[in-house]
Amino acid sequence: GQNIDQPTEMTATEGAIVQINCTYQTSGFNGLFWYQQHAGEAPTFLSYNVLDGLEEKGRFSSFLSRSKGYSYLLLKELQMKDSASYLCAVRALVAGGYQKVTFGTGTKLQVIP
Amino acid sequence: DAGITQSPRYKITETGRQVTLMCHQTWSHSYMFWYRQDLGHGLRLIYYSAAADITDKGEVPDGYVVSRSKTENFPLTLESATRSQTSVYFCASSEYVRDKKYEQYFGPGTRLTVT
Repeated sequence: GQNIDQPTEMTATEGAIVQINCTYQTSGFNGLFWYQQHAGEAPTFLSYNVLDGLEEKGRFSSFLSRSKGYSYLLLKELQMKDSASYLCAVRALVAGGYQKVTFGTGTKLQVIP
Repeated sequence: DAGITQSPRYKITETGRQVTLMCHQTWSHSYMFWYRQDLGHGLRLIYYSAAADITDKGEVPDGYVVSRSKTENFPLTLESATRSQTSVYFCASSEYVRDKKYEQYFGPGTRLTVT
């Protein structure tokens, strides 16, 4: 099975930097995704890591350490529109060579002026 | 329109009724997924499908049935709805190659209320 943990809520100030952590335990690990979900909307893709290290994409960066079962999403220059839930998702290879993607409970980020 | 669609968007049904949620994607993605989202639980995987006629259980499959006779459709049926199945249901699709990105694309969701 898979176990994915994220903080439930975080608050940060507009213009600041925030780091959202995700720890996981899984067999057959084959990638970690971060999604953003605004209230009442569907999740949308933010970033992907399958190898150790940092992936940067504009104001968003994501880091992965496979040996530690750890990832973080870094959001820089926070804007009010970044107020949303951030979902960590782990992809695993299962019997038959198929992929299975499961999500953590999500971190609700509130950006305050 | 291209993309992934779900119908209905909103549904109210009574306990014990059978209800089917539809999901359709136009990308010919091999994989499709059904999740439910509840406060405090996040997105939980109900069933997924690797291709037409290949489906498997996720974390919370009890009380649900899926089929995938065509690549583009992945309906989810609640055989006898219960109040605990009141939730928002998201369908998603993706391609898959080992180690490659291939993120999931989500439909707009179906808000189901069981009374």
